[in-house]
Amino acid sequence: GEDVEQSLFLSVREGDSSVINCTYTDSSSTYLYWYKQEPGAGLQLLTYIFSNMDMKQDQRLTVLLNKKDKHLSLRIADTQTGDSAIYFCAEKDDKIIFGKGTRLHILP
Amino acid sequence: SAVISQKPSRDICQRGTSLTIQCQVDSQVTMMFWYRQQPGQSLTLIATANQGSEATYESGFVIDKFPISRPNLTFSTLTVSNMSPEDSSIYLCSVFQPGLPHYEQYFGPGTRLTVT
Repeated sequence: GEDVEQSLFLSVREGDSSVINCTYTDSSSTYLYWYKQEPGAGLQLLTYIFSNMDMKQDQRLTVLLNKKDKHLSLRIADTQTGDSAIYFCAEKDDKIIFGKGTRLHILP
Repeated sequence: SAVISQKPSRDICQRGTSLTIQCQVDSQVTMMFWYRQQPGQSLTLIATANQGSEATYESGFVIDKFPISRPNLTFSTLTVSNMSPEDSSIYLCSVFQPGLPHYEQYFGPGTRLTVT
């Protein structure tokens, strides 16, 4: 069945870049998403990439898609304390399948 | 964008009881979704709630355990029935809204349920 895998934890120093990785199994996914969940809040759509794209940049966020390897990554440049959250990778075919989320911890 | 509120935000319940979670959206939406987020797990879709018809449940979820109401286009409820500690989870309401270049999915803040 469909599955989305991502590492559960990532620690990064403030000011460095964060790279959160994700792998998925459904090659027919049309869109791939990154959601952010801050403590006590619902999920917020951060960015998305269409499956025929390799890269998408949006301010401090860069999404890279390797469709051959079914690998998606989210790079956050100049990581700030406000970036501390859980980041969910998700793929969409007929419905959205979420990963377990990567908890990003910012070190001072 | 859609603004979604949920009540209660959290609750602690005894096993065997039931809890009804409310979801209110600030605009009319056709489809509303209920998700469960168990500790350390990904979001799992419980059911899709359409106004004017019965909810559609995903594999592993049944109406007797998770009855859903959808009385109008801005409101839905999810009931967690005959609760057990395994039902301890965050329950999230979600909607699709038109966005560019396609529909975007918005989530409520969630209801954190602890069953003792």
